[in-house]
Amino acid sequence: GEDVEQSLFLSVREGDSSVINCTYTDSSSTYLYWYKQEPGAGLQLLTYIFSNMDMKQDQRLTVLLNKKDKHLSLRIADTQTGDSAIYFCAENRDDKIIFGKGTRLHILP
Amino acid sequence: DAGVIQSPRHEVTEMGQEVTLRCKPISGHDYLFWYRQTMMRGLELLIYFNNNVPIDDSGMPEDRFSAKMPNASFSTLKIQPSEPRDSAVYFCASGGGGGDETQYFGPGTRLLVL
Repeated sequence: GEDVEQSLFLSVREGDSSVINCTYTDSSSTYLYWYKQEPGAGLQLLTYIFSNMDMKQDQRLTVLLNKKDKHLSLRIADTQTGDSAIYFCAENRDDKIIFGKGTRLHILP
Repeated sequence: DAGVIQSPRHEVTEMGQEVTLRCKPISGHDYLFWYRQTMMRGLELLIYFNNNVPIDDSGMPEDRFSAKMPNASFSTLKIQPSEPRDSAVYFCASGGGGGDETQYFGPGTRLLVL
């Protein structure tokens, strides 16, 4: 299909790691992105990875890219209540960015 | 830079009225995108511009929707006449198109059509 797919919901206990998974469609996509949307706000770019990389780490965030399977994941270490948000996976296609429907991350106390 | 600026932040109007949403992109960005977000359909790309020229408006739902970009620092999305099913959050985003294609989003306009 043509959609970027990701699960809609994820619940994680505070302090645990969160792993949000995504499959994308276009093997020629140069960049893959993770955006975060907090309630009542716009989408905020969290991080992106260039397609020739396997992994990118930025503080508590780790992005893994498997180009063969067109699979992208975002790991958030030591998940905090402030991480509660919707996380969008996205790929670039031509001039556009194609977004998944978002994964709503819920933090359990 | 102040980021992408959108106005108004909230709009409540009655069916049949004209609605105009405004956007000021980040200075120097040559791409501008209009999105609509609803619970049912998620984030939808409506139209985007490059150097003030509309490139792809295939996402514009109907003739009731129109968008303009008269200059590099301003764009409008107009709905005339508005209908209750147009109720959504409308986002404007801009990007430099400089290779990473990253887009930077505004805070959105929450539209409610009664």
